[in-house]
Amino acid sequence: QKEVEQDPGPLSVPEGAIVSLNCTYSNSAFQYFMWYRQYSRKGPELLMYTYSSGNKEDGRFTAQVDKSSKYISLFIRDSQPSDSATYLCAMTGAGGTSYGKLTFGQGTILTVHP
Amino acid sequence: DGGITQSPKYLFRKEGQNVTLSCEQNLNHDAMYWYRQDPGQGLRLIYYSQIVNDFQKGDIAEGYSVSREKKESFPLTVTSAQKNPTAFYLCASSIEGRIYGYTFGSGTRLTVV
Repeated sequence: QKEVEQDPGPLSVPEGAIVSLNCTYSNSAFQYFMWYRQYSRKGPELLMYTYSSGNKEDGRFTAQVDKSSKYISLFIRDSQPSDSATYLCAMTGAGGTSYGKLTFGQGTILTVHP
Repeated sequence: DGGITQSPKYLFRKEGQNVTLSCEQNLNHDAMYWYRQDPGQGLRLIYYSQIVNDFQKGDIAEGYSVSREKKESFPLTVTSAQKNPTAFYLCASSIEGRIYGYTFGSGTRLTVV
């Protein structure tokens, strides 16, 4: 079983829809949670990050972490065609040798059509 | 502009050949990483280095080798021992201890022909 599970999709939604992307994980040592966006044939870029449980909002994006359920989410409001990309969740522990080494989900391919 | 440069963008390898992927950064970052990306598998860590002249194996190091002789450079060699090398390879760097500060390169697509 992978440490981080993410539905690869693909997910196709109409412009303006609310998108929900999710990851589950099994390692209770994970404390830092990130979402990356990756356009085709490009490197990932950091979109959102949170520490421990809670919500964080940045414009149209909201990241949620529920450590009790080992479940994280990314919501995209008013989705745009420019949001079409692969979205990767990533996480790491709080210290020791795991610090700085990210464990990634499989990535979800999102297409927003006009 | 500061960033990470990976070269070449596309690379073709014959069976039994070793190839080296280049990764250079001018961000003055201490830590550098190599990830492999396959469809439906996400990114998997191959090797990482937190300081010059030191590096550690990641989760899938077999068939790969690295060196870190300069802070700016972290080349990856894909050896003939790697059974399935066709993949998208990503290099990243970060300030040591700053996990939110990962910067990725644009990747190298390696294909075995």
